[in-house]
Amino acid sequence: DTGVSQNPRHKITKRGQNVTFRCDPISEHNRLYWYRQTLGQGPEFLTYFQNEAQLEKSRLLSDRFSAERPKGSFSTLEIQRTEQGDSAMYLCASSLGLAEYNEQFFGPGTRLTVL
Amino acid sequence: AQSVTQLGSHVSVSEGALVLLRCNYSSSVPPYLFWYVQYPNQGLQLLLKYTTGATLVKGINGFEAEFKKSETSFHLTKPSAHMSDAAEYFCAVTLWGNNRLAFGKGNQVVVIP
Repeated sequence: DTGVSQNPRHKITKRGQNVTFRCDPISEHNRLYWYRQTLGQGPEFLTYFQNEAQLEKSRLLSDRFSAERPKGSFSTLEIQRTEQGDSAMYLCASSLGLAEYNEQFFGPGTRLTVL
Repeated sequence: AQSVTQLGSHVSVSEGALVLLRCNYSSSVPPYLFWYVQYPNQGLQLLLKYTTGATLVKGINGFEAEFKKSETSFHLTKPSAHMSDAAEYFCAVTLWGNNRLAFGKGNQVVVIP
């Protein structure tokens, strides 16, 4: 069990550019979650997948944000036309099973800085 | 919608002293409650969780928390702080049928030698 991995760990981009982050969950975990964490705040839920199906995306911050999980394995989070307000830590988590109280295992995050 | 409140962003505690981090939740239905710890440059790690049953929950690293429905609280304690307990601690809540965790703002714990 190698844990949840995220790449890149850091991303610096200019306003208006598109960025994509990757998350590799723990093998065989069927659920995958994306959160955003800004300075001084706790993580904020964005979206989640059960296998390849995106079951909730209403919390994605705008239509500039999109996520995919092809084949139910790794996931990508894309932000188009980045804005300075998008600067944050983007966290990925995965869990096994269907219960709401199952432990979510978190990756180390991708820190995005938009100049 | 569910939410949690953690007061006092920074908490200083002397080595060997009691660690007490407060968490109050808001929910119209019975909640599932969690405490996570975040060390620098690492992912959040689950300390303990409450689902149903026994209201006193024991977790890793000597931490425990008690679910008090009448007070809508889930405070985290550890009898004796170690230097290794210096980290940020988050309380979180979710509900039956709701698959997203709602986190508090966190407590940054500093342990003073």
